[in-house]
Amino acid sequence: GEDVEQSLFLSVREGDSSVINCTYTDSSSTYLYWYKQEPGAGLQLLTYIFSNMDMKQDQRLTVLLNKKDKHLSLRIADTQTGDSAIYFCAESGAYTGRRALTFGSGTRLQVQP
Amino acid sequence: DAGITQSPRHKVTETGTPVTLRCHQTENHRYMYWYRQDPGHGLRLIHYSYGVKDTDKGEVSDGYSVSRSKTEDFLLTLESATSSQTSVYFCAISEGTDSYEQYFGPGTRLTVT
Repeated sequence: GEDVEQSLFLSVREGDSSVINCTYTDSSSTYLYWYKQEPGAGLQLLTYIFSNMDMKQDQRLTVLLNKKDKHLSLRIADTQTGDSAIYFCAESGAYTGRRALTFGSGTRLQVQP
Repeated sequence: DAGITQSPRHKVTETGTPVTLRCHQTENHRYMYWYRQDPGHGLRLIHYSYGVKDTDKGEVSDGYSVSRSKTEDFLLTLESATSSQTSVYFCAISEGTDSYEQYFGPGTRLTVT
């Protein structure tokens, strides 16, 4: 079955770049997503990328997709303390009838001042 | 932010009691979803709806039922709550575009004692 994996934790200093990585197994994924969850809140859609793209940039966020290796990354430039949160990778592969997403377990980003 | 509310936001209940969680949207989106979030598991799909009175199961549907009698409301019922259903429950909505974007509610924290 499909699976999405992420590392559990990342710590960076304020002002540095953060890179959060994700791997997925479903080669039929058409869209891949990054969500952000702050404490006590729901998931906020940050950005998504279509599978025929290699890169997407949106202000401080850069998404890189290596479809051959099934690897997705989210780079946050000039990381701020407000970026501290859990980041979830998700893919839209197998459940096309449901239009549902499969989520990774999340990466906790800690930004140290 | 997408107009999604969940009620109640917090609930403590006893094992064996029925519990109903409500999701309400003002976006007129066709698709609605219920997920549960547990440490180490990311988000897992419980049930989803693709229209009024049209619902189907997700990966972790045992012990849960849903109903959707109006476009704007999606109810999740635990017929007889168990301690394993202690979790944070999120509702999500999707317009049904090709990009499958989902938008999440603020969540309901349910504790079953």
